[in-house]
Amino acid sequence: DAKTTQPPSMDCAEGRAANLPCNHSTISGNEYVYWYRQIHSQGPQYIIHGLKNNETNEMASLIITEDRKSSTLILPHATLRDTAVYYCIVRVLYSGGGADGLTFGKGTHLIIQP
Amino acid sequence: DADVTQTPRNRITKTGKRIMLECSQTKGHDRMYWYRQDPGLGLRLIYYSFDVKDINKGEISDGYSVSRQAQAKFSLSLESAIPNQTALYFCATSGRGVISYNEQFFGPGTRLTVL
Repeated sequence: DAKTTQPPSMDCAEGRAANLPCNHSTISGNEYVYWYRQIHSQGPQYIIHGLKNNETNEMASLIITEDRKSSTLILPHATLRDTAVYYCIVRVLYSGGGADGLTFGKGTHLIIQP
Repeated sequence: DADVTQTPRNRITKTGKRIMLECSQTKGHDRMYWYRQDPGLGLRLIYYSFDVKDINKGEISDGYSVSRQAQAKFSLSLESAIPNQTALYFCATSGRGVISYNEQFFGPGTRLTVL
């Protein structure tokens, strides 16, 4: 899996858009970008994933740069309940074997301020 | 009801004791995983299973064993617990399809303390 770099922490005001960056400059052509989050010691929760096109679902939007070397997760209207650690993971869609768990780094601790 | 459940949720034990952590899922998924999380760190894979007959070691399998009793059940055992196995343990599942392979669903976690 390609290495990812995320800021250790970020603040965002409640009601504003939270933009979480991720750098993955060594990403390969067949690797996807996945985002998970973990709310205080709970199990991680899948948010969204994408290959090269921007993606949107009910939770968030994912913007991937044209060269695919970085991406941004956008929470459009952050609430206090969005305070969590957000993990950016780069991974092939299916490795066919080997170490098949997800590789979680330290992520970004997003704090939503009231 | 939760799709992925773990029991117990909290456990305190002593060095040398054998401990079993259990995971059950109602999602009908074939793939199940056990992860460990230490304070301030990300999750690390201990074992994973693609079906009842398939068990694979992950990054940190030493000191652990697993059993896949049925499609819906995957247990993690610490044969002789030691203090540095104190951690938060998560079970996860994922579906068979290629698209869903990396969309893992996690249980609520088991907080294990080894004294």
